[in-house]
Amino acid sequence: DGGITQSPKYLFRKEGQNVTLSCEQNLNHDAMYWYRQDPGQGLRLIYYSQIVNDFQKGDIAEGYSVSREKKESFPLTVTSAQKNPTAFYLCASSIDWAGELFFGEGSRLTVL
Amino acid sequence: KQEVTQIPAALSVPEGENLVLNCSFTDSAIYNLQWFRQDPGKGLTSLLLIQSSQREQTSGRLNASLDKSSGRSTLYIAASQPGDSATYLCAVSGGYTGANSKLTFGKGITLSVRP
Repeated sequence: DGGITQSPKYLFRKEGQNVTLSCEQNLNHDAMYWYRQDPGQGLRLIYYSQIVNDFQKGDIAEGYSVSREKKESFPLTVTSAQKNPTAFYLCASSIDWAGELFFGEGSRLTVL
Repeated sequence: KQEVTQIPAALSVPEGENLVLNCSFTDSAIYNLQWFRQDPGKGLTSLLLIQSSQREQTSGRLNASLDKSSGRSTLYIAASQPGDSATYLCAVSGGYTGANSKLTFGKGITLSVRP
């Protein structure tokens, strides 16, 4: 079935460590996005990519990095520079930059 | 800056009731509006997308309407069921380009349907 796969579902990290969250889609979508969701807040955009080999910072990119070397993959690295990394991370994709958004199941990161 | 408000934050209704969830936005220059459902600990599922030129969209027991001039959208759920219990979020695309990178999300309405 077509969809978006995020892994791992749960991740624990010690302070000072970088972690990478995986996002893979088989929908043949050009655009992919990473959002962060915190309790009581709306989703906030971290990074987005409208086409392979190109990506742009979203509203809260500090402390995060991404790559888009393949159309189907958009991994997110949470670096040690991110001051409050504990959150629920959501990956999404759309057929183009303005199409309907489809989301993965999310990855919950906890910093110990 | 676009602001999206969903009030109330939580709602509890008995099974079988028809209900309306509200979404309001401050800037009427939108490209489209999307409604999503989120179950606890899960990702978002797209329910309906309304283009700015449309007034409503329907899918099964769900009907979403859009009134750009008043900055409002409503999601109507007919004959609610316990399985409808979830958080419902609306998201508004910014400006005339409609880029998803300019989406503004509401904080959601947590719906509980009592058997």
